[in-house]
Amino acid sequence: TAGITQAPTSQILAAGRSMTLRCTQDMRHNAMYWYRQDLGLGLRLIHYSNTAGTTGKGEVPDGYSVSRANTDDFPLTLASAVPSQTSVYFCASSAGVFSYNEQFFGPGTRLTVL
Amino acid sequence: AQSVTQPDIHITVSEGASLELRCNYSYGATPYLFWYVQSPGQGLQLLLKYFSGDTLVQGIKGFEAEFKRSQSSFNLRKPSVHWSDAAEYFCAVGARSNYQLIWGAGTKLIIKP
Repeated sequence: TAGITQAPTSQILAAGRSMTLRCTQDMRHNAMYWYRQDLGLGLRLIHYSNTAGTTGKGEVPDGYSVSRANTDDFPLTLASAVPSQTSVYFCASSAGVFSYNEQFFGPGTRLTVL
Repeated sequence: AQSVTQPDIHITVSEGASLELRCNYSYGATPYLFWYVQSPGQGLQLLLKYFSGDTLVQGIKGFEAEFKRSQSSFNLRKPSVHWSDAAEYFCAVGARSNYQLIWGAGTKLIIKP
């Protein structure tokens, strides 16, 4: 079982350019999440989706947008990248929408904005 | 405010030695507590979780954690570490009524041969 796949694995991006990080899950989970991981800060939630067609803002949503057109896909878009968005991005999913559900993580995308 | 504190950024232990990673939380509701592990270059994986009942919970890879309500703690332990345990460990807190987990900053475990 693939679980959660993310693409690309890594990317170097010029400041001001746009980019979409892709995330696909094959577990038919209702909830999906995007986190960024920065040294010393742990995981910070960017956006989440409780079900297809709905999204919500997390702790650090500015500069990012998401969509959830179907159950399986949850892309994260940076409209105009800035160096502070250099980070490792993790997509995750869970069967239920509440925080007591186990979250399953993808392998991450390492993004460098220059 | 809801928060999770992992006071140790790094911990170094010798292979075969015992391990305890600390986690303290501040949470208004009845907490659901988790430990996740992140091996180098990988995503996170659930080690164990506590919802209710026995305050000592067993997880994968020989780990256990003890919930102490009076101390607002959920410390992770292992009696004898292996080199493959080198990783970063994250404590997290959730609740029945919340959508979002509250994450600690993580503790990086380094194993000395």
